[in-house]
Amino acid sequence: GAGVSQTPSNKVTEKGKYVELRCDPISGHTALYWYRQSLGQGPEFLIYFQGTGAADDSGLPNDRFFAVRPEGSVSTLKIQRTERGDSAVYLCASSLTGAANEKLFFGSGTQLSVL
Amino acid sequence: AQSVTQPDIHITVSEGASLELRCNYSYGATPYLFWYVQSPGQGLQLLLKYFSGDTLVQGIKGFEAEFKRSQSSFNLRKPSVHWSDAAEYFCAVADAGGTSYGKLTFGQGTILTVHP
Repeated sequence: GAGVSQTPSNKVTEKGKYVELRCDPISGHTALYWYRQSLGQGPEFLIYFQGTGAADDSGLPNDRFFAVRPEGSVSTLKIQRTERGDSAVYLCASSLTGAANEKLFFGSGTQLSVL
Repeated sequence: AQSVTQPDIHITVSEGASLELRCNYSYGATPYLFWYVQSPGQGLQLLLKYFSGDTLVQGIKGFEAEFKRSQSSFNLRKPSVHWSDAAEYFCAVADAGGTSYGKLTFGQGTILTVHP
């Protein structure tokens, strides 16, 4: 596609449930990032993939959060035993090589609401 | 750890007026600096970026920003605001070290309202 695609755009779940959020980056982009944006805050880094591997997962808040990118393109962010505090917009971004001075292309995000 | 401060949570200007959004960063060396804009329902879009060289950088939509090392600032400016500029603006920094990648630290954002 022309841009970064995230699905679903909205996800409502109950506390304790498992959710998966999908990101389809721009074709050919080797770098993929997940960020989380809470209400009234700037995006916060979660995890960075270079190809299929997670090069930096230092932003994942705890072991309930996990992300994969098995074929080096689509990525899935997985959240187990969701908590109300997980409610936020989850943003995905990709860039061509991952260089620090590259432009990041962001998706429109998935609004996650945990009731 | 690096940090970014945007002192103004909300700014209101009249259409046609000039605009300056403030950004201060804390970092041990000169980082890579960015301004992104977020409109409702849309993804973050890069306005401009600074890496080195000329401290005044030009971006899209008529925006510019000036890097001032002595003040650790990277303020965003526009000489004449249009109603379509109403959005939320984020300043961000990335580590410019040798093994760095595009991991951004964002400020909390400034919401811009434009009055007709």
